[in-house]
Amino acid sequence: DVKVTQSSRYLVKRTGEKVFLECVQDMDHENMFWYRQDPGLGLRLIYFSYDVKMKEKGDIPEGYSVSREKKERFSLILESASTNQTSMYLCASRQGASGNTIYFGEGSWLTVV
Amino acid sequence: EDQVTQSPEALRLQEGESSSLNCSYTVSGLRGLFWYRQDPGKGPEFLFTLYSAGEEKEKERLKATLTKKESFLHITAPKPEDSATYLCVSGGGADGLTFGKGTHLIIQP
Repeated sequence: DVKVTQSSRYLVKRTGEKVFLECVQDMDHENMFWYRQDPGLGLRLIYFSYDVKMKEKGDIPEGYSVSREKKERFSLILESASTNQTSMYLCASRQGASGNTIYFGEGSWLTVV
Repeated sequence: EDQVTQSPEALRLQEGESSSLNCSYTVSGLRGLFWYRQDPGKGPEFLFTLYSAGEEKEKERLKATLTKKESFLHITAPKPEDSATYLCVSGGGADGLTFGKGTHLIIQP
């Protein structure tokens, strides 16, 4: 089975803090993604990566950055957390093209106070 | 613009009462139609992938079907443990995916 692991399930951070969300996949997938999920808005794409050291902006990249130094690991960084970044963050991975199945992690609940 | 619309937004059924969830899509060059189950506070769990009109997939009490404009998730004789949000996703968009907002399904004992 594909496993996508998000290291932190629940985090509480203060406004202005730098926040790191880590994600690891164990299936040697090329593509990795970060989404946020908010009630009524569904899943929105923040960033994605097609390969090591490659990154592409999604629909809502403002206030976020990413890092992919190794194929299995994709990190989401909130440079200076704000209260409107309180959300559920989902990491996902997929092998190859968009017709292949995408697999999600368990999610990271971030509260910024 | 690619779009995926799920209906209804919420559905409450009695245990054993069969029904269907709808997913309408407008995607240029569909590259797969995916169904996921999401429990509260958890990430989406993969259920099915459909690639061409007429295709059907089954798993326990769930059956997914696909036409050229819609996909249906049929649930037969549901149980309370089938309560979840069901997400429909199509291959399309910048990341190759367009997400529906989900149908929140509640099965009452």
